[in-house]
Parts: sequence; C-alpha cells; structure tokens
Amino acid sequence: SQQGEEDPQALSIQEGENATMNCSYKTSINNLQWYRQNSGRGLVHLILIRSNEREKHSGRLRVTLDTSKKSSSLLITASRAADTASYFCATDGTGYSTLTFGKGTMLLVSP
Amino acid sequence: EAGVVQSPRYKIIEKKQPVAFWCNPISGHNTLYWYLQNLGQGPELLIRYENEEAVDDSQLPKDRFSAERLKGVDSTLKIQPAELGDSAVYLCASSSPSVRNTGELFFGEGSRLTVL
Repeated sequence: SQQGEEDPQALSIQEGENATMNCSYKTSINNLQWYRQNSGRGLVHLILIRSNEREKHSGRLRVTLDTSKKSSSLLITASRAADTASYFCATDGTGYSTLTFGKGTMLLVSP
Repeated sequence: EAGVVQSPRYKIIEKKQPVAFWCNPISGHNTLYWYLQNLGQGPELLIRYENEEAVDDSQLPKDRFSAERLKGVDSTLKIQPAELGDSAVYLCASSSPSVRNTGELFFGEGSRLTVL
C-alpha cells in the first residue's frame, strides 16, 4: 500500500518557472523524504525533512512540512529542462521503519 | 564509490518461466531492500534485509517470489513461475547505519521485467 499521495499527477511548465508538488500522507511520520527519478533510471534522494522541522532548503529546492495537515510540498525554483523527471515523496513511521512511497508527480519542463 | 549494481537491466520471458534478479549494494551498507515499481506508480516494498536477516517480507508474494541474502552482502530475487502481472521494474536499494539518521536510500537502476 502507498502512504503518500502526490498532487498533481503531472505538471508541465516552461524553463525558468517554479514547480510546486504536494504530498499528503495518512499516518504519523518520523521524517519525510523527496526522491527524483529520471525515465528508466533509479530513484535519487533529494532532501529529507524531519517531523519537527517546518521548512528546509537545498539549492533550488524548498520543502515544507505541515504535520497537522499531514502534508508536504516541494518547490523547485527557476526550473530547467534537466529537472524533467518524476518526483516521489516517501515517509517512514516512528522509529526506523521502511520507507513508503507515493505515486509520484511527473514534471515536464519545456525549454 | 560504486553505487548499487543490479543485473540484468532488462529481461523478457514467457509466462510460467523462472527469472532471477541480482543486486550488489554499496559496500558497507547492511540494509538492503527490494522494491517493485509498476508503470506510473511509486516503488512498493517487497522485502527488507538487515544483514542476512529478512526483517520485513510481509509484502512478498511467497507463493512465487523468493529472495536470499546469504552472506549479508549481495542478494537475489527470484520469481517462479512468472505471471503476466509480474511485468514491472524491480528496484534494489541499500542504506547504511551511518546514514540511518538521514534515512536516505541509495537505489540501483532497476531490472525491467517483461512477461509475455
């Protein structure tokens, strides 16, 4: 079963625009992670935010977490064609347990 | 540092045939995962190993799927017999206790299975 649900399922933007993807989850978490997957490749870890954090930045990425709403957002600023990929949120429960992934958002950035 | 290595990258078989996938995790990573990813979906856990012990195999369809990690290093996932619905990408990932606080998983490129 998949814990997280990303929204939108697909997003198409122009280079230079910002891309925002959202993730909702169902149960209490220890932390939430975002991964990226290029077509035909494995997943690559982007960023992790802990349940006691509200916002985190890494380069052009900004992640927010609202545990009261059980939701997170990933913002990619000044997007590039190379950002075209699928983006997945993943959560784990309290303690050290296995990550559960959402269904992903497919991002297309056009030059 | 070498990443997670999986083979084969692609496999086409006829239904009812057996198939096996191999994974070599990053050196020193004692946690190994096998995930199943259907087209347009996120990865779903099949099995998690801590060293050679399978600590979470609740989602592994044990009637036809089996996995092993005999020496706590590389791992093999087997399907016998394969069914049409097994067509998917099988992803292997690993993690290390030293990054347990970050929880980051390192994924291989995946093995894409097509069952005809």
